[in-house]
Amino acid sequence: GAGVSQSPSNKVTEKGKDVELRCDPISGHTALYWYRQSLGQGLEFLIYFQGNSAPDKSGLPSDRFSAERTGGSVSTLTIQRTQQEDSAVYLCARGGASPGELFFGEGSRLTVL
Amino acid sequence: KQEVTQIPAALSVPEGENLVLNCSFTDSAIYNLQWFRQDPGKGLTSLLLIQSSQREQTSGRLNASLDKSSGRSTLYIAASQPGDSATYLCALSTGWMNTGFQKLVFGTGTRLLVSP
Repeated sequence: GAGVSQSPSNKVTEKGKDVELRCDPISGHTALYWYRQSLGQGLEFLIYFQGNSAPDKSGLPSDRFSAERTGGSVSTLTIQRTQQEDSAVYLCARGGASPGELFFGEGSRLTVL
Repeated sequence: KQEVTQIPAALSVPEGENLVLNCSFTDSAIYNLQWFRQDPGKGLTSLLLIQSSQREQTSGRLNASLDKSSGRSTLYIAASQPGDSATYLCALSTGWMNTGFQKLVFGTGTRLLVSP
């Protein structure tokens, strides 16, 4: 596989609840990305982690979204007070050996009712 | 602002046909371009990566070309098979930032169906 595990694969929640999505890449790759794929739209960049550097959060759509990466490995994307427009597939990717390579996990499908 | 367009949005062909998927972009100052495949309910699988200094890349029945001056890339699939049915996305990078980060801009994809 791509060496990126995401959980849960599916999450249904009620509007206003908080959700956490997890990304667990194989070790040895310091670059980690979160993207969002909404129905009928292209992938939207959310956040990037690189080693111990400060993450690039420029793609986060609002302050309800946050992400952490602990120990340079596992990352958690948290969405607070979910809204229906947050419904999407959230994809995590790790960098590869060649410049520009990305390997994606299978995503977490979030449905906000 | 870089915009990436993929035409057609959907394509249906019989098995065995050769086909071309198109990707166009508005800003030729790109670092690299990638073609991905996405199966329903799955993540993205990288197919081919073309650096800006390259003109094409080949992998098996797939060949991707890049023409920066015209803002176009094509993905050629030879002798298509039903297993090729998926959504194909192109994504390009406009360069690296200080942290080594490159932000990819994705097209909305071409949904391909290859019939037996």
